[in-house]
Amino acid sequence: NAGVTQTPKFQVLKTGQSMTLQCAQDMNHNSMYWYRQDPGMGLRLIYYSASEGTTDKGEVPNGYNVSRLNKREFSLRLESAAPSQTSVYFCASSERSVLAIYFGEGSWLTVV
Amino acid sequence: GESVGLHLPTLSVQEGDNSIINCAYSNSASDYFIWYKQESGKGPQFIIDIRSNMDKRQGQRVTVLLNKTVKHLSLQIAATQPGDSAVYFCAENKGTYKYIFGTGTRLKVLA
Repeated sequence: NAGVTQTPKFQVLKTGQSMTLQCAQDMNHNSMYWYRQDPGMGLRLIYYSASEGTTDKGEVPNGYNVSRLNKREFSLRLESAAPSQTSVYFCASSERSVLAIYFGEGSWLTVV
Repeated sequence: GESVGLHLPTLSVQEGDNSIINCAYSNSASDYFIWYKQESGKGPQFIIDIRSNMDKRQGQRVTVLLNKTVKHLSLQIAATQPGDSAVYFCAENKGTYKYIFGTGTRLKVLA
């Protein structure tokens, strides 16, 4: 079972560069999420997509954009990377709200 | 429980003993709770969940207890094994797409 797959696993960016993190789930889930995880802090929601065709801001959306490409795929784009965006990024999915969220393996992003 | 700064609280348990990991949640309106396990370099892994209309739920070697009066959640792991070593954190939800995650407790299993 693949579950939630995200790429790349590791990336180093220079300040001002752009990149897209890709995510796909094979559980036929309606809802997908992007979180970031920083030392000493709980997971923080960047954006979520309640269902195909919708996206909404989470707690920390500034500097990011998302695209729900189809039911399976949800991408996260950094248009102009900043050192403050150095973090571990997790994509996740759930069947709908108030149900268990299942996470991918993470993408380690360093912005220098 | 919740951590302060960059250093997670650590629970050290002898292999074979039972472990109890605690979490204080923030919102009395939260009605759904999840426990996750996160190994180093990996994504959070769902362990068990519980809804607010329950006080206790059991899984395979794990039990979650919910005390709504004091807003407290605990995860009990029976017969702790070396493979249980990880960071454990709780999540709460009050009926939206926004979950609140704790920072976690590191469980170390001593051989």
